[in-house]
Amino acid sequence: GDSVTQMEGPVTLSEEAFLTINCTYTATGYPSLFWYVQYPGEGLQLLLKATKADDKGSNKGFEATYRKETTSFHLEKGSVQVSDSAVYFCALSVTSGSARQLTFGSGTQLTVLP
Amino acid sequence: DARVTQTPRDKVTEMGQEVTMRCQPILGHNTVFWYRQTMKQGLELLAYFRNRAPLDDSGMPKDRFSAEMPDATLATLKIQPSEPRDSAVYFCASGLPGNTEAFFGQGTRLTVV
Repeated sequence: GDSVTQMEGPVTLSEEAFLTINCTYTATGYPSLFWYVQYPGEGLQLLLKATKADDKGSNKGFEATYRKETTSFHLEKGSVQVSDSAVYFCALSVTSGSARQLTFGSGTQLTVLP
Repeated sequence: DARVTQTPRDKVTEMGQEVTMRCQPILGHNTVFWYRQTMKQGLELLAYFRNRAPLDDSGMPKDRFSAEMPDATLATLKIQPSEPRDSAVYFCASGLPGNTEAFFGQGTRLTVV
């Protein structure tokens, strides 16, 4: 079945450090790929997405490129801020017939220290 | 500002009691998801509706959980009887057909004592 594997957390960085959170996937068909962010006490919010191979999603300084050859969608940011502290979820969506499967990774806790 | 609304935000109940969680999807969205989030299991898909019909509820314990959409503006998740292991945050999300994102509510934090 479809699955998403994220790097284990927690990740702790100093402000202005470079961030990479690895994400790889297994899917039948042609998935769309997403990064969601969850701030404390809140629901998940879409951070960025890519719907086909080689697409790059970007938002708020975060980027991720859909790499079909390596089945990866790694999240990067050049300079993190304290306000980026949150849990980040990689996810994929595949439509099969009338059903749409939205599958999440286990989440990666990011803490950014001042 | 369109958003998914969940009620209640927090619920504490005693073991054996019935719990009902409600969700108002974004107007015009015809797909609704119910997820459960725990530290141990992460995000688990419990049920998925399209046009108010359940398409996948394989992740839901059938003996005590039930999910319905009485109309297009309301989705409910019921647990009867509740057990301490049901303690978790329950999220509702809605979306449109196709490979588009799901929009999440703020969740209902359930504690069963």
